[in-house]
Amino acid sequence: KNQVEQSPQSLIILEGKNCTLQCNYTVSPFSNLRWYKQDTGRGPVSLTIMTFSENTKSNGRYTATLDADTKQSSLHITASQLSDSASYICVVYTGGGNKLTFGTGTQLKVEL
Amino acid sequence: DTGVSQDPRHKITKRGQNVTFRCDPISEHNRLYWYRQTLGQGPEFLTYFQNEAQLEKSRLLSDRFSAERPKGSFSTLEIQRTEQGDSAMYLCASGLAGVYEQYFGPGTRLTVT
Repeated sequence: KNQVEQSPQSLIILEGKNCTLQCNYTVSPFSNLRWYKQDTGRGPVSLTIMTFSENTKSNGRYTATLDADTKQSSLHITASQLSDSASYICVVYTGGGNKLTFGTGTQLKVEL
Repeated sequence: DTGVSQDPRHKITKRGQNVTFRCDPISEHNRLYWYRQTLGQGPEFLTYFQNEAQLEKSRLLSDRFSAERPKGSFSTLEIQRTEQGDSAMYLCASGLAGVYEQYFGPGTRLTVT
């Protein structure tokens, strides 16, 4: 069964600090992996996309890594801001773009 | 705004009533997806369309649920005889066939009392 597991389930950090979110997946066949940010009451918005051959990709303060051998990905947020408070969902694409397997998300709260 | 839009954003209904949600995808996208998301969980796939054709339905889509995309543009999701367990965020996404990306709308939050 295709599964995506994320940790931690929730995280509270102080503004300006860094954090790393983890994602482990057992999805086959693998097409790509995306990290989405979902603000409360809003739809998910894509932050990064990782294909099988990519190890690291950055998008501003967000850096995603992918280890296809161990089937693990991480999302590192640098110099966190209050606006980073949201749920971060790891999503693996398969099956021609139709099949998405979602993680349950990490709820991040950034405090002053 | 050329993104995916959904209407209404919030709906409160009494158990047993019917509700209908609308999704307008990004105009050139031929695929449209519906998902359901409950609190603290990731979205769960319900169904998807390619143009007018409904190509797949999840087992989650009971007989009380029906979705249409009559002209291959906007889509509606209807829930008949709502139950409290139907309370959730209903997300719509659109994309292009063969392209591995789906763009999500803001969702419709349904509360069944």
